[in-house]
Amino acid sequence: DGGITQSPKYLFRKEGQNVTLSCEQNLNHDAMYWYRQDPGQGLRLIYYSQIVNDFQKGDIAEGYSVSREKKESFPLTVTSAQKNPTAFYLCASSLAGDRETQYFGPGTRLLVL
Amino acid sequence: AQSVTQLGSHVSVSEGALVLLRCNYSSSVPPYLFWYVQYPNQGLQLLLKYTSAATLVKGINGFEAEFKKSETSFHLTKPSAHMSDAAEYFCAVSAGHWGGSQGNLIFGKGTKLSVKP
Repeated sequence: DGGITQSPKYLFRKEGQNVTLSCEQNLNHDAMYWYRQDPGQGLRLIYYSQIVNDFQKGDIAEGYSVSREKKESFPLTVTSAQKNPTAFYLCASSLAGDRETQYFGPGTRLLVL
Repeated sequence: AQSVTQLGSHVSVSEGALVLLRCNYSSSVPPYLFWYVQYPNQGLQLLLKYTSAATLVKGINGFEAEFKKSETSFHLTKPSAHMSDAAEYFCAVSAGHWGGSQGNLIFGKGTKLSVKP
C-alpha cells in the first residue's frame, strides 16, 4: 500500500532540546511539505522541497530545519530556537505535475515537558 | 496573493439535514480550490478540487462544491448529513500554474462539523 508515514505519533521535547520528526513516502512523489497545525489556526507551511537536495522556507520556518537527502524522506527538526513548538505537525507530498493536490500523513503531535 | 476565509468555526446539523460549509477566497490569479477533511488526530484527506474545469465539482462521500467567480466562493455541500461526516473541514486555495508559489496551498482556519442524531 502506498502512502505517507510519520513517526512518532507523539513526541515530547524538553527545554533546549532539538527533536526530529520523521516523514517517509512511497508514492514516488517529487515534492514534500511540512505544515504546522494549531487549534483554530488552520495549517501553516513550514518548509517544502520540490526535488532532492533542495528545499525552501515556508511562512513560518524560524526555529525549524529540514533535509532532503532521499526522494522518499523529508525529516523536520524542531530546534531549541522554536519557543512555542507544541502543535500537530503534518507532512504531505505531491506529484511534480500536480503540486497542488497534496497527500497527507497521519501527523505527529509534539508536546513540551 | 491568495487567502481563504471560512465562515463559521463550528457548524452543527441534524442527521439527514443539508450540510453547507462556506468558503470565500481571494486570489490575484485564477485559483485552484480544494476541500480537505480531517478526522480527530489524523491527517487531511482530499474531498474534492477545482482546477478551472467544470464549476460544479463532485467529491467523495457525497460532497460537492460549486465555484462561483462572481461571489468568490467555493461552498461545500452535502444533501443529507451522516453521523460519520462529523469532522473538521478545510478549504484551501492555490495559485496553481499561474503564480510563483509553485503549488503552495493556503488553508482556511477550518470548520468543525457536528452531526446530531
